[in-house]
Amino acid sequence: EIVMTQSPATLSVSPGERATLSCRASQSVSSNLAWYQQKPGQAPRLLIYGASTRATGIPARFSGSGSGTEFTLTISSLQSEDFAVYYCQQYNNWPPDTFGQGTKLEIK
Amino acid sequence: QVQLQESGPGLVKPSETLSLTCAVSGYSISSGYYWGWIRQPPGKGLEWIGSIYHSGSTYYNPSLKSRVTISVDTSKNQFSLKLSSVTAADTAVYYCARRKGLLRPFDYWGQGTLVTVSS
Repeated sequence: EIVMTQSPATLSVSPGERATLSCRASQSVSSNLAWYQQKPGQAPRLLIYGASTRATGIPARFSGSGSGTEFTLTISSLQSEDFAVYYCQQYNNWPPDTFGQGTKLEIK
Repeated sequence: QVQLQESGPGLVKPSETLSLTCAVSGYSISSGYYWGWIRQPPGKGLEWIGSIYHSGSTYYNPSLKSRVTISVDTSKNQFSLKLSSVTAADTAVYYCARRKGLLRPFDYWGQGTLVTVSS
């Protein structure tokens, strides 16, 4: 099973600033990496797939990069609606799909 | 617009079987794609339970495989989850979701349903 490790667990950033979230895989997942956003009481929402492709309707301020074992989600200018929990998921080698433990992005 | 909606009992007794159904609208399951279940214990992260192809092929998380059954009913355009011998550790929000292929993420999710295991 591939283990996904996200850092940091909590990130405090001011609105308008840039946020950088990291995800590391225990072995290569090629570019088969997705990022999801989850707000309280809601289902996860697909943001990025293929490590760097934005899903339909996702604003351009969200960008993803990386391949192999190291991945980054960048939010260029934080809006109030961006404060949430973010999860990465590898789908290169399943079963099982595996998710990171999440990064909580909070207002500084 | 594709929509998924989970339904089932919100309370299950320990040692019994948890049963949930996911009704799909806006897309015919028989046309293709993979359909899956993911759960999230309160305050914790996401755990993939298993997936089923429209033809009926199933894929399960090895950690749950002995207790999980996922099935599809194309005539009702829905798929189902059964998890046997539940314990308090199975208390979670259960989501159903769709993926377009083997190397694709989950693009549509249901709103989730909380299942509590308690006597």
